[in-house]
Amino acid sequence: AQSVTQLGSHVSVSEGALVLLRCNYSSSVPPYLFWYVQYPNQGLQLLLKYTSAATLVKGINGFEAEFKKSETSFHLTKPSAHMSDAAEYFCAVRSNSGGYQKVTFGTGTKLQVIP
Amino acid sequence: DAEITQSPRHKITETGRQVTLACHQTWNHNNMFWYRQDLGHGLRLIHYSYGVQDTNKGEVSDGYSVSRSNTEDLPLTLESAASSQTSVYFCASSESGIPDTQYFGPGTRLTVL
Repeated sequence: AQSVTQLGSHVSVSEGALVLLRCNYSSSVPPYLFWYVQYPNQGLQLLLKYTSAATLVKGINGFEAEFKKSETSFHLTKPSAHMSDAAEYFCAVRSNSGGYQKVTFGTGTKLQVIP
Repeated sequence: DAEITQSPRHKITETGRQVTLACHQTWNHNNMFWYRQDLGHGLRLIHYSYGVQDTNKGEVSDGYSVSRSNTEDLPLTLESAASSQTSVYFCASSESGIPDTQYFGPGTRLTVL
């Protein structure tokens, strides 16, 4: 069975500081991995996705994530936080098997950016 | 522009009543999903559909049903609403094939009193 674990339900950073949101996955087959962002009172939007090509994936708004198989991790980073980055971030995993597209989401990490 | 819409955006109902939440997408996607979002649980899959006349149960399907009579719509019905079903409900859709990206609606906040 596939699963993701997001370490830290709340993360606070100062504006201009590094953003690091942690995600570890469990999957019996090579996974597809996603990061989604949810702004207040909105639905989720895709930030980036890993699909077994390059291990360093660049997404929108300056975010990137690195797939590390040995660590079963897919942490999300951004070099310099902006106030507009304040949102909730969800890591998700989809197993590449069976042709079915069930995606398992993590419990989310709420990012607070302090001016 | 293609989009996915949900209605109503907010709903208050009473225990025992039947409630239907609408989801409509103009992406022409085959796959559609219903999730509920609760604090501490993230998003949990209720039901999903891979095409017309196809429906499948997710991890928290008890008390919910869906039907898919066309590509655009996947209504979610709560047969007899319970207070435990107070939540925010999200509909999503995706194209067939690998890899997929799910496109989410704006959500429906449901309160069951």
